[in-house]
Amino acid sequence: GEDVEQSLFLSVREGDSSVINCTYTDSSSTYLYWYKQEPGAGLQLLTYIFSNMDMKQDQRLTVLLNKKDKHLSLRIADTQTGDSAIYFCAERHSGNTPLVFGKGTRLSVIA
Amino acid sequence: KAGVTQTPRYLIKTRGQQVTLSCSPISGHRSVSWYQQTPGQGLQFLFEYFSETQRNKGNFPGRFSGRQFSNSRSEMNVSTLELGDSALYLCASSGDRVSLTEAFFGQGTRLTVV
Repeated sequence: GEDVEQSLFLSVREGDSSVINCTYTDSSSTYLYWYKQEPGAGLQLLTYIFSNMDMKQDQRLTVLLNKKDKHLSLRIADTQTGDSAIYFCAERHSGNTPLVFGKGTRLSVIA
Repeated sequence: KAGVTQTPRYLIKTRGQQVTLSCSPISGHRSVSWYQQTPGQGLQFLFEYFSETQRNKGNFPGRFSGRQFSNSRSEMNVSTLELGDSALYLCASSGDRVSLTEAFFGQGTRLTVV
């Protein structure tokens, strides 16, 4: 079945770049997403990318997609303490199918 | 534009009881999906409703059910609650004229079964 894998923890210093990685197994995934969850909150959609794209940039966020290796990454430039949260990678086959989530990567930003 | 609203935010129920959770999607969105989030299993898909019809269903027992009303608001019901049903229940809405791909989540309902 479909599976999405992420490393569980990442620690970076304030001002550095963070790179959160994700791998997925479904080669027919059409949309890939990054969500952020802060303590006690729901999921905030950060960005998403179509499978026919290699890269998407949105302010401090850069998403890279290697479709051949089924590898997705989220780079956060100039990481701030407010970026500390759990980041979830998710994929879906089409707009009519459910999101499949990874277990999430807990990002800790050290001041 | 108001976001996705889930009520209540917190619930404490006893084993064997039933519970109903509510989700009001973003105005104009016709799809509502429900997910269960637990520390052990992560985020798991329960079901999705689109225009009052269940379009997709996850792998949960029949104790978990849902419905969607003509105004797109959705409810999910869990009967005969078990301790393992304690979780954060999240609903997501999507499907307006602009994009069918973006899914926006509510703050969730935290259910504790004692």
